[in-house]
Formats: sequence, structure tokens, C-alpha cells
Amino acid sequence: RKEVEQDPGPFNVPEGATVAFNCTYSNSASQSFFWYRQDCRKEPKLLMSVYSSGNEDGRFTAQLNRASQYISLLIRDSKLSDSATYLCAVNPYGNNRLAFGKGNQVVVIP
Amino acid sequence: SQTIHQWPATLVQPVGSPLSLECTVEGTSNPNLYWYRQAAGRGLQLLFYSIGIDQISSEVPQNLSASRPQDRQFILSSKKLLLSDSGFYLCAWNQGPLVNYGYTFGSGTRLTVV
Repeated sequence: RKEVEQDPGPFNVPEGATVAFNCTYSNSASQSFFWYRQDCRKEPKLLMSVYSSGNEDGRFTAQLNRASQYISLLIRDSKLSDSATYLCAVNPYGNNRLAFGKGNQVVVIP
Repeated sequence: SQTIHQWPATLVQPVGSPLSLECTVEGTSNPNLYWYRQAAGRGLQLLFYSIGIDQISSEVPQNLSASRPQDRQFILSSKKLLLSDSGFYLCAWNQGPLVNYGYTFGSGTRLTVV
């Protein structure tokens, strides 16, 4: 089983709508969870860390569900500029090594 | 502030040729350094990571190697490239508690082996 799994999509979202997607991880002892944004042919950039209590940054909300072993990202009021691939990253073994999912591709449609 | 530099940005190399990609971090000391590869249609694959000079762990056995001759310099090499080595190579660094800061990636090198 892969350490981190994501549904690649694409997720076609009308501008102004809300989109949400999950990322599952296999190791129940995983620590440190993140969402990264990757634009086409660019490096991933940290979007937000995911804390146990959940966290929000503007239109973006991230949550962690340890019981079901997944993290989620919700984007409200989608903008055209939100079009990108969103990668989740998990630290499976507590040794500073991050495992990444393949990403959720989001396409915001005018 | 800390910055990470990677070069070259793009590289086209024939099969069997050598490879050397360089990554340097500025504005910090004793960073953890990582090499990842992102092949077309695939996720980020960790190749090597280093917690200090000459301390390198390999995640995937292959024809690539890594070296860290200086504290803030990380080099990815190959003696003979294969077609399957094509991909987007990303260097990353972090320091301090991973839970707070995650990684910061360099701008990457897009390698095409022909």
C-alpha cells in the first residue's frame, strides 16, 4: 500500500464554487501533515501545515482525521488563480522524511 | 532570509552521459537536504536525504548518487544516464521541527535523457 494516496482528478470547479478533496495515508503513526501547491512545471510551494485541530488560511481550510487516516483541503470561493495541483505530504516515520501524494489537479473554470 | 538555488534549470543529455546537478542553500547552517524526482505522471519520489556533511541516506537503489561536500551544498550525480532518469529533479531543505516548517523546494532541474 502506498504511503500517501490522492485522487488525481482533474477537479473541474466553476469560479466561485467550493471544492474539497482528501488525501489518505497508510501509517497510523504518521506525524506532520502538509498541503503543497504546484503550478505547471514549477516547484511545489508550501500552502499550509495541517494541525490536529484543523486550520484555516483565508479561503483554504485543512483538516486532519486521524481515525480514518486522511487529511482534507477545502477551497471556498474558487478563483481562476487557484488552478494548480495540490500535493499532500505526510511524515510517516518521524524522521524528517516527507512522503508525497501524486496530487489533486484543480481546474477553475470561468 | 534563507534561499535555495538549483541549477541548471533545464538539461538535455544523451543516454550514457554523466550528470551533475547542484543545489545550495544560503542564509542558514546545518540544514537537512533532500533530492526528489518527479517523473511524468508520477508523484515526488525521495532519492536521497542528508542531515550533515558526508551523511547521506539513499532511499531508492539506482544509478544515481549524492554527495554533500560542504554544509550547504548538495550534489546529485550519475556516471551513466538511462532514459528512465528523465524527470523533474527537486532539491529541498528544512531546518527545525518539521511539523512547523515543512520543506522548501528549489526551482528544480528538468532533465530529459535522449
